[in-house]
Order: sequence, then C-alpha cells, then structure tokens
Amino acid sequence: GAGVSQSPSNKVTEKGKDVELRCDPISGHTALYWYRQSLGQGLEFLIYFQGNSAPDKSGLPSDRFSAERTGGSVSTLTIQRTQQEDSAVYLCASSLDSGAQSGNTIYFGEGSWLTVV
Amino acid sequence: DAKTTQPTSMDCAEGRAANLPCNHSTISGNEYVYWYRQIHSQGPQYIIHGLKNNETNEMASLIITEDRKSSTLILPHATLRDTAVYYCIVRVAHSRDKLTFGGGTRVLVKP
Repeated sequence: GAGVSQSPSNKVTEKGKDVELRCDPISGHTALYWYRQSLGQGLEFLIYFQGNSAPDKSGLPSDRFSAERTGGSVSTLTIQRTQQEDSAVYLCASSLDSGAQSGNTIYFGEGSWLTVV
Repeated sequence: DAKTTQPTSMDCAEGRAANLPCNHSTISGNEYVYWYRQIHSQGPQYIIHGLKNNETNEMASLIITEDRKSSTLILPHATLRDTAVYYCIVRVAHSRDKLTFGGGTRVLVKP
C-alpha cells in the first residue's frame, strides 16, 4: 500500500490476555518504529528496527512487551498479560534510511487503539 | 536530540496565515528541523523538514534563521482542518535517530 498500515485498528481485550498488533511499513522502508500514546499524553518511543534487528529497545516499558520483524517488512508488537494501563494507541512508523541527504523522513500509520477492560 | 521549545497553544483565524515558532538553540550542525502535526485521533502527519535553507511544499513553508537557533512553520491560509497539535523536532538524518516528541503547540483555527 501507499502508507504504513496497521491492524487491528481497534482492539478490546480482557485484562490478563495477550494481544498482537501488526504493522506493514511502506514498501522498501528498512527502518521501523513503534510508539505508544496514552489518552491525552505525548508520544512515547518503544522500539526501533533496522531490517530484522532491533538496535534500540530502550522504550519497551516492561518484559511483557516484545516485538519482532521478519523478512525486513512486517512487524508484530506483542503485549502479554495485558493490564489496564496498557490501554493506548500504538503507532507504527517507517523510513527509507537512504542516507543523510534525504533527511530520512519518518511516516506514521493511523495506529491500533487498544482498550484493556 | 536537541531540545525544542514551542508555545503551548495558539489560536489563528481561518483564511489567515498561521506562524508557529520553535526554538532550538542547542541544535547541532548535522541535525534537521522536522515538523509534524497530529489531528485528533489520527497518527502524526509529516509536514516539512529542513537543514538550513528555507523550504516550501504544498502544505507549508519552513523558515530557519541564519544561526539555526529557531525556526517558524508557516501555514499560508489556515483552514478549520488545520486544527491540530504541531510538533517541532530536531534529529540527525539517520534512521537510528528516532523522533522524540515534546508537547507541541496546540493550534486552534477559528472561523
């Protein structure tokens, strides 16, 4: 597709259940990022992928959160044993990483809204 | 990333130019100035970016001072759909350098 695609767009889950959120980056983009935004709050960085590896996982809030990327394209963010404070919109972004001249613009998807009840 | 300072909020009139200031006094020579906006309930939208020259695209213009310590985003003819939170971010042009969002400026375009 033309932009970053995320699914599901909305997810309601019960406390304690596991959830998986999917991100399809823009075709050809090697860099992929996950962010989280709680209601009324700012955007919080979670993890960055370059290809299939994750050189920066510094934003993952706990070991209940993990992410993987396969084939240098699709990424999945997994939250285990969800808690109510995990309720937020989870945003995925990607960039081309073609070199300094381009400025490496990062483009965002519309997010996956997660509600833990 | 260098920190940026933006006003918390501002109003502007529909049809008029909106001038959004941003201070980045500690910007490094290899850091770009990026602007994004976030309309309610949507993902951040890229607007424009620049290094030292002024830039213009179909959405906006970016004016960067000669010393690069501040910049202004100009929306030439604000519409009600431009109501959003606008973020000014500085970062090195490398994918490892993630975007770090501050509080942004909450812009309300009034009829």
